Amino acid sequence: QLQLQESGPGLVKPSETLSLTCSVSGGSVRSSDYYWGWIRQPPGKGLEWIGNIYYSGSTYYNPSLNSRVTISVDTSKNQFSLKLNSVTAADTAVYSCARGAVIGRVTPYDHWGQGTQVIVSS
Amino acid sequence: DIQMTQSPSTLSASVGDRVTVTCRASQSISSWLAWYQQKPGKAPKLLIYKASSLEGGVPSRFSGSGSGTEFTLTISSLQPDDFASYYCQHYSTYSVTFGGGTKVEIK
Repeated sequence: QLQLQESGPGLVKPSETLSLTCSVSGGSVRSSDYYWGWIRQPPGKGLEWIGNIYYSGSTYYNPSLNSRVTISVDTSKNQFSLKLNSVTAADTAVYSCARGAVIGRVTPYDHWGQGTQVIVSS
Repeated sequence: DIQMTQSPSTLSASVGDRVTVTCRASQSISSWLAWYQQKPGKAPKLLIYKASSLEGGVPSRFSGSGSGTEFTLTISSLQPDDFASYYCQHYSTYSVTFGGGTKVEIK
């Protein structure tokens, strides 16, 4: 049974870097059959895609966040990570990691972590 | 960038009602559309992929249709467990875009 678990600081100061990790159990981040993504949801608002990373190492980011985002994979720990720099209060949200499949073409996220709340405040 | 517009943003309905949610894409996305259900404090749950394919384990009262730029999610007979928010999502190798969401409330 695949499980995804987000972890990281719940409070980040403005202008600093938000760093989160998604630990994967019951599956491997090395598999070429899947891709991994980050999504966030500000309080009371809808879902916003942050970016995806593929087995090949290719990354694709939301253009509105592209200049501030980095997603990477640590195969030795079976984890993938999100870094978002120069944060402001607008980056306050629940951050979730998710997995999608690559079956010829990509399929949508079918497994999600429970999400972790991040507040940006001094 | 492709924009996804959902309507309505809120929908009030009763148990047993037929409910329809609409999602429009700013340009043709073929059938690369998914629908998710989200309950408060919970992760989204995939309901429909490729516009009309039902995810395993999802009740058959949920159905999706459409292609190109216009899509619909239909719940044939609303059940108490269905009161939640629903999101459409365009997905591709290069990008993902969510609609703004539709909250289905008890009338």
